[in-house]
Amino acid sequence: AQSVTQLDSHVSVSEGTPVLLRCNYSSSYSPSLFWYVQHPNKGLQLLLKYTSAATLVKGINGFEAEFKKSETSFHLTKPSAHMSDAAEYFCVVSEFSFGNQGGKLIFGQGTELSVKP
Amino acid sequence: GAVVSQHPSWVICKSGTSVKIECRSLDFQATTMFWYRQFPKQSLMLMATSNEGSKATYEQGVEKDKFLINHASLTLSTLTVTSAHPEDSSFYICSARDRWDRRSYNEQFFGPGTRLTVL
Repeated sequence: AQSVTQLDSHVSVSEGTPVLLRCNYSSSYSPSLFWYVQHPNKGLQLLLKYTSAATLVKGINGFEAEFKKSETSFHLTKPSAHMSDAAEYFCVVSEFSFGNQGGKLIFGQGTELSVKP
Repeated sequence: GAVVSQHPSWVICKSGTSVKIECRSLDFQATTMFWYRQFPKQSLMLMATSNEGSKATYEQGVEKDKFLINHASLTLSTLTVTSAHPEDSSFYICSARDRWDRRSYNEQFFGPGTRLTVL
């Protein structure tokens, strides 16, 4: 069965410094992985996704993540934090499915990112 | 593209009443939609998978008579919270999969959520 663990419940950085949000996954086959961001009282916005193409995935707003199979990790990074990056971030693994049926998403517990001025 | 809407965005109701939440895929067709519940400062919890033209599949521990799901068309799924009580107060989020997306990585498009408060 697939699972995902976000290693930090809360990360605090200063504006302009790098961001690292850690995620480890467990899957018996090649997984599909996503990072979503959620601002307060809002829905989820897709930042980026790994789908077995390039291992370094670039997303929106300067975020990127690297898929490392040997470490079963998919950490999210950004070179320079902005105040608007303060939000909740979810690492997600997709359940394998055939065609267009099934396909649940399994969510990590979330990491709250705070950005100090 | 790939926009999902929810209506209403927030609702306040009295205990014992029923509330219906709509989830619509605006620019694509969705044979499968999902309903999630999120408590404050917590992750999303999948409640059920809604399949167009058939019964929803509920996750363990979710009362299907309490949370009625109807997926009557390829662009609309509804969640009805019946006889709502204060403990049903939560943030409900739906998502949808594109009918024609045959890729295996199961991308879902999320709605903006509905805040339900039961007094």
